[in-house]
Amino acid sequence: AQSVTQLDSHVSVSEGTPVLLRCNYSSSYSPSLFWYVQHPNKGLQLLLKYTSAATLVKGINGFEAEFKKSETSFHLTKPSAHMSDAAEYFCVVSDRSGGSYIPTFGRGTSLIVHP
Amino acid sequence: NAGVTQTPKFQVLKTGQSMTLQCAQDMNHEYMSWYRQDPGMGLRLIHYSVGAGITDQGEVPNGYNVSRSTTEDFPLRLLSAAPSQTSVYFCASSYRAAYNSPLHFGNGTRLTVT
Repeated sequence: AQSVTQLDSHVSVSEGTPVLLRCNYSSSYSPSLFWYVQHPNKGLQLLLKYTSAATLVKGINGFEAEFKKSETSFHLTKPSAHMSDAAEYFCVVSDRSGGSYIPTFGRGTSLIVHP
Repeated sequence: NAGVTQTPKFQVLKTGQSMTLQCAQDMNHEYMSWYRQDPGMGLRLIHYSVGAGITDQGEVPNGYNVSRSTTEDFPLRLLSAAPSQTSVYFCASSYRAAYNSPLHFGNGTRLTVT
């Protein structure tokens, strides 16, 4: 079985400071992991994905995430926050279990960026 | 290339009414799915399809019906609307029905049931 936990429901940062959004996962297999971003009144957009290649994954808009198997984590980071980064972020895990493609979504982290 | 298109954007229903939420994708994606998003709950899978003529239930299928007669379209039917179905509904598709294939989302339908 697979599961995912986003450790913070809200994260508040000042513009220009680093961003850290935390995600822990559980999986019986080698999982794929994704981060999606949702701006207000929009659908979700893929930021980046990990699929068993390099453990440090670079995404769009300067975001990156590191897959750490020993810690079962896939935290999302960005060196310098921009006002346009204010959005909801979802961590998603998916593996081969069950034979069907049913990814599991975290409950989301709301990123607030102060000027 | 429109991607995933959902209609309508907004809908208000009275309890007991039925309606169909439309979803179409022009990317020749094999996999399509419907989610509902409620505050603090993340996204929950309602139904999904791994190809034309094949559908299956997700986490919260009760009160909803789907069909997949073509690769492009995956409508979601509410049979008898209830206030508990007030939510934002998202359609998502993927190139393959595979665990490592990312999802492409529509912009959502905001449904209110009174």
